[in-house]
Amino acid sequence: DVKVTQSSRYLVKRTGEKVFLECVQDMDHENMFWYRQDPGLGLRLIYFSYDVKMKEKGDIPEGYSVSREKKERFSLILESASTNQTSMYLCASSPWDRQETQYFGPGTRLLVL
Amino acid sequence: QQQVKQSPQSLIVQKGGISIINCAYENTAFDYFPWYQQFPGKGPALLIAIRPDVSEKKEGRFTISFNKSAKQFSLHIMDSQPGDSATYFCAASHNFGNEKLTFGTGTRLTIIP
Repeated sequence: DVKVTQSSRYLVKRTGEKVFLECVQDMDHENMFWYRQDPGLGLRLIYFSYDVKMKEKGDIPEGYSVSREKKERFSLILESASTNQTSMYLCASSPWDRQETQYFGPGTRLLVL
Repeated sequence: QQQVKQSPQSLIVQKGGISIINCAYENTAFDYFPWYQQFPGKGPALLIAIRPDVSEKKEGRFTISFNKSAKQFSLHIMDSQPGDSATYFCAASHNFGNEKLTFGTGTRLTIIP
């Protein structure tokens, strides 16, 4: 079974803090994605990566950055957390030629106070 | 800009009934339409998908109906069961899924006894 793990299920941070969300996948997938999920807004793509050290902006990249130093690991960074970044963050991965079949992690619920 | 519109936002169906969730898209270049199912505390998982060369696809109790001229597609769950209670997301992609997915806003489905 494909497994996508995320470092934390719940996280509480203060405004202005630097926040790291980690995602690891064990299926040697080339593509990795970061989404945020908000009620009534669905899943919105923040960033994605199709190879090590490669990244592309999604629909809502403002306030976020990413890092992919190893194929299996994709990190989402909030340089200076703000309250409007309180959300559920979902990581996903897929093979390079099968973006339509994405495997999601369980999510990290982030609360920024 | 909401490229995939999903309705209703929430749906309550009696056990044994038919659940219907609708999606409409604007981008005529979309050519791959998956549905994802998300249980509480879990990430979304691919449920069923359709390409526009067919008007219907059925897998067990789940059916996708696709209307290319109307740019609409829908998920039908026959004989709905309490275990079907989840949030459902439609999505769309082009290049036969080799491009990133655009998700709808989600429908929270509750099946009552």
